[in-house]
Amino acid sequence: NAGVMQNPRHLVRRRGQEARLRCSPMKGHSHVYWYRQLPEEGLKFMVYLQKENIIDESGMPKERFSAEFPKEGPSILRIQQVVRGDSAAYFCASSQGAVETQYFGPGTRLLVL
Amino acid sequence: GNSVTQMEGPVTLSEEAFLTINCTYTATGYPSLFWYVQYPGEGLQLLLKATKADDKGSNKGFEATYRKETTSFHLEKGSVQVSDSAVYFCALSDQTGANNLFFGTGTRLTVIP
Repeated sequence: NAGVMQNPRHLVRRRGQEARLRCSPMKGHSHVYWYRQLPEEGLKFMVYLQKENIIDESGMPKERFSAEFPKEGPSILRIQQVVRGDSAAYFCASSQGAVETQYFGPGTRLLVL
Repeated sequence: GNSVTQMEGPVTLSEEAFLTINCTYTATGYPSLFWYVQYPGEGLQLLLKATKADDKGSNKGFEATYRKETTSFHLEKGSVQVSDSAVYFCALSDQTGANNLFFGTGTRLTVIP
């Protein structure tokens, strides 16, 4: 059973470009979470989605960031007009149910030049 | 609100030494508690968990006991190995809503031969 898949593993963007991060949950998992880890810090919750629905986006910056989890395909975290402060590791986690254990992907390391 | 306070690192130990990493929490309701481990360049792996007071989580020689009276979930291992070198994160899930995890800032452990 494959784990949580994320791609790309590394992404380099120039200021003002768009970044798209993809997450495929574990088989049978319909709950997806995105977290951001700034250098030398812990992970901070961004958004929680179920299929086609955003359940909680309280940790998501109000501008430039969006997330989706369509009926078919991976969850996407989209960052428009990236700035240097967006440089971080972005981790996706999935769970089978709302109160089940979360399993993490390997992360996407975004570097904004 | 929910928060996790974790022993600051870095921690450097000799092989076969005893390890304790302190973790205390503040939570609404009755949280589940977790320890995750992050090896260099990788995502987080669930190390162990406990879902109610007095539960003991254990895995790979690591243990942590859910202490409601002291709101603590300290991680211990009797004899560390070089391969245990990693960053360890304490986390909680408050189980009352979206199930997002609240993380401590992480403790970097280096084990030297």
